[in-house]
Amino acid sequence: DAGITQSPRHKVTETGTPVTLRCHQTENHRYMYWYRQDPGHGLRLIHYSYGVKDTDKGEVSDGYSVSRSKTEDFLLTLESATSSQTSVYFCAISEYAGGSYEQYFGPGTRLTVT
Amino acid sequence: AQSVTQPDIHITVSEGASLELRCNYSYGATPYLFWYVQSPGQGLQLLLKYFSGDTLVQGIKGFEAEFKRSQSSFNLRKPSVHWSDAAEYFCAVTGGATNKLIFGTGTLLAVQP
Repeated sequence: DAGITQSPRHKVTETGTPVTLRCHQTENHRYMYWYRQDPGHGLRLIHYSYGVKDTDKGEVSDGYSVSRSKTEDFLLTLESATSSQTSVYFCAISEYAGGSYEQYFGPGTRLTVT
Repeated sequence: AQSVTQPDIHITVSEGASLELRCNYSYGATPYLFWYVQSPGQGLQLLLKYFSGDTLVQGIKGFEAEFKRSQSSFNLRKPSVHWSDAAEYFCAVTGGATNKLIFGTGTLLAVQP
C-alpha cells in the first residue's frame, strides 16, 4: 500500500462545469502522475509532477490543468468539463524499490460528464 | 515513437491451463518494462518488472515474464491459471528520468471452469 487516496471516488457533473479531483499521498514521494483510463486505450498520462510547483504535460493534457502546492497533494482540474472527459482517473506515485523506480496507483475516480 | 502493443484484446483459458500474454514495445533507449493487473472496479497492481540483469523475472501470484531484446517483447506467463486470475492485464514501458509510463491497451483474461 503506497498510501494513495483519491477523492471523490465517483462524480457526476454537467458539461461546462469545473471539476477538481484530488490525489493525496502520505509517504513524501517526489513524483506524482495523473492518468485517464478508457476502453481500448489503456491508461494515458495527462500531467505529472516532479516536485512542489513543478509540473509538466503528458500525452493527453488538453482541457486539464494541475497544481501541486504541497508534496502530499496533486490536484487535477477540468476547467470546463466535456463529455469526452468521462473516464476513470488514476493517480500514481513513483517509488524506488528493488533497483529501479516503480509506479503505484490509487483506487481511481470515476467521472461522468452529462 | 514510443509505444506498447498488446495484440490480444481478449483471451479465454481453462482453469489449470498455462497462460501467455503477449507484449511488444517500441522504445529508443533501454526500456524498463512492467506488467500490471486490474481486477474489475479496482486500481492497478504491479505484478513484476524488468530493468536489468536476468531476462526472466518472477513476480507475484506465480507470474513470470521474459524480456527478449531481439524481439522487443516482454511476454507474461503463468504455468497454471486459477479462476482468481481473471482480470485485465496491462504491459507498460518507461525509461526516462521522469518515469512516465506508456501503457498497452490491455488484455482481458477470462478463466473458464
